[in-house]
Amino acid sequence: DGGITQSPKYLFRKEGQNVTLSCEQNLNHDAMYWYRQDPGQGLRLIYYSQIVNDFQKGDIAEGYSVSREKKESFPLTVTSAQKNPTAFYLCASSEGRLRGTGELFFGEGSRLTVL
Amino acid sequence: SQQGEEDPQALSIQEGENATMNCSYKTSINNLQWYRQNSGRGLVHLILIRSNEREKHSGRLRVTLDTSKKSSSLLITASRAADTASYFCATGVSGNTGKLIFGQGTTLQVKP
Repeated sequence: DGGITQSPKYLFRKEGQNVTLSCEQNLNHDAMYWYRQDPGQGLRLIYYSQIVNDFQKGDIAEGYSVSREKKESFPLTVTSAQKNPTAFYLCASSEGRLRGTGELFFGEGSRLTVL
Repeated sequence: SQQGEEDPQALSIQEGENATMNCSYKTSINNLQWYRQNSGRGLVHLILIRSNEREKHSGRLRVTLDTSKKSSSLLITASRAADTASYFCATGVSGNTGKLIFGQGTTLQVKP
């Protein structure tokens, strides 16, 4: 089955530690996205990538880093510089601006809690 | 930055009733999309309406778009308890790189 897989589903981190959230897709999509969702809130864009080896900052990129070395993978690192990292993180993909309608396909999310 | 604002923030209805959610946005758009999110899960795409369309249907869903008022509405007819979820509008901004900007969502509770 095609889809997006995020791992881990739950993650606990001590203050000062970096953590990396995994996102893999087998939909052959060009574009991938990371969103952050806080309780009762909408989604805010952290980073996005339209093509391999290229990515752009979203609205709240500070304290986060990403890489896009492979088309299928778009890992997100939450660094110790992120002041309030406890949140629900959602990865998504789309066919890409030039090929698709912009419809996003989402993973099931990763819930990060800082202790 | 949040592009869309949704109204109401929360809605509670009885099974069989219709549910209407509204979304307003600020800038020119290519399209507007609606997504559903069950508690603690990822979002699922429901329907997309392009900026040159005024109305679109999909099953029990009806979406309207008024670009002059920069607003959209999602109507769910004959609601079911399984429709209980949060619903988000998302706008594809004109001239942008394909990213979507999401509203804060409407939480719908359908009571059996």
